[in-house]
Formats: sequence, C-alpha cells, structure tokens
Amino acid sequence: DIQMTQSPSTLSASVGDRVTITCRASQSISSWLAWYQQKPGKAPKLLIYKASSLESGVPSRFSGSGSGTEFTLTISSLQPDDFATYYCQQYNSYLWTFGQGTKVEIK
Amino acid sequence: QVQLVESGGGLVKPGGSLRLSCAASGFTFSDYYMSWIRQAPGKGLEWVSYISSSGSTIYYADSVKGRFTISRDNAKNSLYLQMNSLRAEDTAVYYCVAGGPALDYWGQGTLVTVSS
Repeated sequence: DIQMTQSPSTLSASVGDRVTITCRASQSISSWLAWYQQKPGKAPKLLIYKASSLESGVPSRFSGSGSGTEFTLTISSLQPDDFATYYCQQYNSYLWTFGQGTKVEIK
Repeated sequence: QVQLVESGGGLVKPGGSLRLSCAASGFTFSDYYMSWIRQAPGKGLEWVSYISSSGSTIYYADSVKGRFTISRDNAKNSLYLQMNSLRAEDTAVYYCVAGGPALDYWGQGTLVTVSS
C-alpha cells in the first residue's frame, strides 16, 4: 500500500499567516492527490483535487502544488474559519489512503 | 442540494453484524462512484471501500476485506455496507461519500460501536 505522511502533525498560527502543510507519498503518485478540511464534529470537505485543482466554491487563498512524492497545501492568509484539521488522500492506486492529518490551531 | 443520509449504525458485540445504508438525493446517483470512509474516535480518516457507478468494480481496504461487502441499488439511489465479524477496532463513524477518486460529497456519518 502507498503510505502518506503529513507534516507537521500540529501547526500553531495566527490569523493572516501564510500556512504550508506537506504531504509525502511512499512512492510516486503522479498528481493523484486530494486535500480535505475537517472541522470538529463535521464531515470532511474537499478542497483540492489532482494536486492543484481548486474545488468549486473553495476560497482562492487555498492552493495545492506538487507531483510525484511531495505535495503542499498552502493557505495564503489564514482566516478564522480555517482553523481545522487537514488531510491529504492519494488515489494513484486502487487502494486509496489518507495522511494522518494536520491540525491547524490558533496561536 | 446534495444529501447523503446514513443509517444503521449502533452498538454491536464483537463477532456481530450490521448493515449500513445511505440514501442519496440531489444528484444523479448512478453517475457517481460511491465510497465508505470511517473515522475512529479521535483518529484520522480511513478509506474502507468503493464501488463504481455501475457496481462492476469494487475494492476494499485490507483491514475489512473478507468481512465487509459494499453494494448499491441505483434504482433506489442507495448505498449499503454489510459488516460481518465485527471487531473492536471497527468502532468508528462511517461516512457515505459520493465521488471518486476525489471525494466530492460526504454524509454526516453514522456511529458504529463494537463492544461487549
């Protein structure tokens, strides 16, 4: 199975900060990667697919980049609504896997 | 708008069975891959299974293969997950998800607790 490793596990930041989360795959997954946001007690929400394509309705402060084994999710200017946990997901193989999550906390 | 409503969760003893259902509306169900994703209490997301739009392609995570069965009824806009030989480690919120492989629409989840 392809393993996905996110870093950091927890990130403390302030409103207005630029935030970057990294996701590494154990083998090349081309650009077959998605990012999700989850708030406590809620279902996850798709933000980015195919590594860098922004899902409809998602604010443009979110962006994704990378290919192969290293990917990043960037929030250009952190807003109060963005404090949440973020997950990457690979779908290069028929066995899909998620990263362990990155919690973005208020500093 | 898109709605996915899970049902069938609850408390079950180890070794027992449960059948989860998901009622879909607000989109053309028969056009979408459907998946079950689970989340153990306080833990991350785990993909469980997916089924293609026609039902011809199905895959399972190794952790549930041979114990869980995914199915769908496109005439009823419904997705199912038959869970047998349940273990304590299957305790989780189970989400019904439309889309694939990027997971577009999520239900609110149903809690399955496996405990004696």
